[in-house]
Amino acid sequence: NAGVTQTPKFQVLKTGQSMTLQCAQDMNHEYMSWYRQDPGMGLRLIHYSVGAGITDQGEVPNGYNVSRSTTEDFPLRLLSAAPSQTSVYFCASSPQGRRPPTYEQYFGPGTRLTVT
Amino acid sequence: RKEVEQDPGPFNVPEGATVAFNCTYSNSASQSFFWYRQDCRKEPKLLMSVYSSGNEDGRFTAQLNRASQYISLLIRDSKLSDSATYLCVVNDRGSTLGRLYFGRGTQLTVWP
Repeated sequence: NAGVTQTPKFQVLKTGQSMTLQCAQDMNHEYMSWYRQDPGMGLRLIHYSVGAGITDQGEVPNGYNVSRSTTEDFPLRLLSAAPSQTSVYFCASSPQGRRPPTYEQYFGPGTRLTVT
Repeated sequence: RKEVEQDPGPFNVPEGATVAFNCTYSNSASQSFFWYRQDCRKEPKLLMSVYSSGNEDGRFTAQLNRASQYISLLIRDSKLSDSATYLCVVNDRGSTLGRLYFGRGTQLTVWP
């Protein structure tokens, strides 16, 4: 198993550009989520999904969209990049089913995004 | 008030030392508790879950005090490889989202 994979590893965007961060997992996990990590702020939840076709907002959803058309993939879209979105983005999945996760979350290696 | 509070450190200890990290959480309805470890520029990984009765995994001991809403992690006989950031994580099943809340992390450096 590859686990949770994320692409790209690094990305530089100009203000106003849009892009999609890719996340995929091959563990058949129903629960997937996106976090951002900023210095001194810890990990903050952006969006999450409890299964294909179901997504919901986390703590800091503004400026981001998600969709979950398959169990495996959970892309994160930046609609119009802003410098405040400069961060490290982690995707995570959990084997927990359609209820709040109480078990281990497996994280991808992260995407380091810089918006200039 | 932040959901999960941790002392950010840094903690700098010699090899062989015992070090303890503390964490407090704000929601008394929280149900599940974890310690994650994050190496520099890497993703977080689960170190151990924290159970009400306390639990031990080799050199690592985790304790939970629900009355005080307090979680601790004790590392005995520190190794150089223990150098990392330790994240306190709480699953808040009291909310409609029931999501994980991460502390900001406590940085540990073990020196030879």
